[in-house]
Amino acid sequence: GAGVSQSPRYKVAKRGQDVALRCDPISGHVSLFWYQQALGQGPEFLTYFQNEAQLDKSGLPSDRFFAERPEGSVSTLKIQRTQQEDSAVYLCASSPQAGGREETQYFGPGTRLLVL
Amino acid sequence: SQQGEEDPQALSIQEGENATMNCSYKTSINNLQWYRQNSGRGLVHLILIRSNEREKHSGRLRVTLDTSKKSSSLLITASRAADTASYFCATDGASKIIFGSGTRLSIRP
Repeated sequence: GAGVSQSPRYKVAKRGQDVALRCDPISGHVSLFWYQQALGQGPEFLTYFQNEAQLDKSGLPSDRFFAERPEGSVSTLKIQRTQQEDSAVYLCASSPQAGGREETQYFGPGTRLLVL
Repeated sequence: SQQGEEDPQALSIQEGENATMNCSYKTSINNLQWYRQNSGRGLVHLILIRSNEREKHSGRLRVTLDTSKKSSSLLITASRAADTASYFCATDGASKIIFGSGTRLSIRP
């Protein structure tokens, strides 16, 4: 079946521009995670959804970052007034059950964001 | 902040040799996972080991876990060119998975 998909795959934004990154999880997966991965580093947790509920947003670096999953499937990560330090790969992952941290997470290919 | 730290940061070996990567973490865990990431792609889950397990095998992969030392190792036997990738350990934190900084493995032909 289809895996996790993300769009766009690449995004170049001018500093100050707003961007929206989309994640389509595996159908029926309850848990959805967003991660930020800087060059040469491991992914860092941003936020977690259980169905449509955002249960943990402790990793969002500032109030310029906002995520939603209104119908419990597709999720959007929005970054307002982008800054150069936002340049990174943004990874989305889903898992079948609630919680997700005790089971396999299935990752999308990521969106590579470059802020100029 | 990243709980897991992999060692070495980079490893280059000859095809056919075994590769060993280590991961150390700081707080108690319920499980530890290893993921692989090929250049420019998302992560692929390799193996999960629970805190009450000491060793686990999957194909050419062998993972050990020592909770007293808060460390884990990933052994890849009979390495192949396709094993070239970054490898990350991930531990379950209070409410999320925390990844280490990774080991970059290169397999020389």
